[in-house]
Amino acid sequence: AQTVTQSQPEMSVQEAETVTLSCTYDTSENNYYLFWYKQPPSRQMILVIRQEAYKQQNATENRFSVNFQKAAKSFSLKISDSQLGDTAMYFCAFMIGQGAQKLVFGQGTRLTINP
Amino acid sequence: EPEVTQTPSHQVTQMGQEVILRCVPISNHLYFYWYRQILGQKVEFLVSFYNNEISEKSEIFDDQFSVERPDGSNFTLKIRSTKLEDSAMYFCASSDLAGIQETQYFGPGTRLLVL
Repeated sequence: AQTVTQSQPEMSVQEAETVTLSCTYDTSENNYYLFWYKQPPSRQMILVIRQEAYKQQNATENRFSVNFQKAAKSFSLKISDSQLGDTAMYFCAFMIGQGAQKLVFGQGTRLTINP
Repeated sequence: EPEVTQTPSHQVTQMGQEVILRCVPISNHLYFYWYRQILGQKVEFLVSFYNNEISEKSEIFDDQFSVERPDGSNFTLKIRSTKLEDSAMYFCASSDLAGIQETQYFGPGTRLLVL
């Protein structure tokens, strides 16, 4: 079975600091995709960033970047120059293959950005 | 930017009643999903749907649940006889192989409370 583990239930940093959220996963597959979703207090799920397992280059989206270590099955999210609006739950998710494949989510990390 | 929409945003029902949660996926998407999130817990997969049939369902998706695409735009989740433990946030998602592959876009969710 595929599992996703986020070992940090909560994190808190000051505005403008850089923060890294950890995620590890377990699979024997080679073709898969990894995602970070953000869930603000409104509870809507918002895609932050995605990574294809076959790509060695780490994905970046503005202030968000990942450190994808395939051999270690690690997929951490780095938020640079953190902003108050980044305060949210962050979920790491994993999907195998293509088509109508389910996302498997981690337990989430509650991130608070303090002014 | 196209987005997934869900109605209602909130629903309160009595135990044993039937509820129908509605979703309008992104128009050119072919794959549809339902997830749920019990308060304080991680997001859990319920069911995926493609080509007018269920592709995969989880253990949670028992005989009390059903999905339907009644027309070219709506995708519904029906719970026939609600239980207290069905209280959760229900998310619809859609994806498309032709676009940004393998990325599931989530709706804003329906908050269901069973009394």
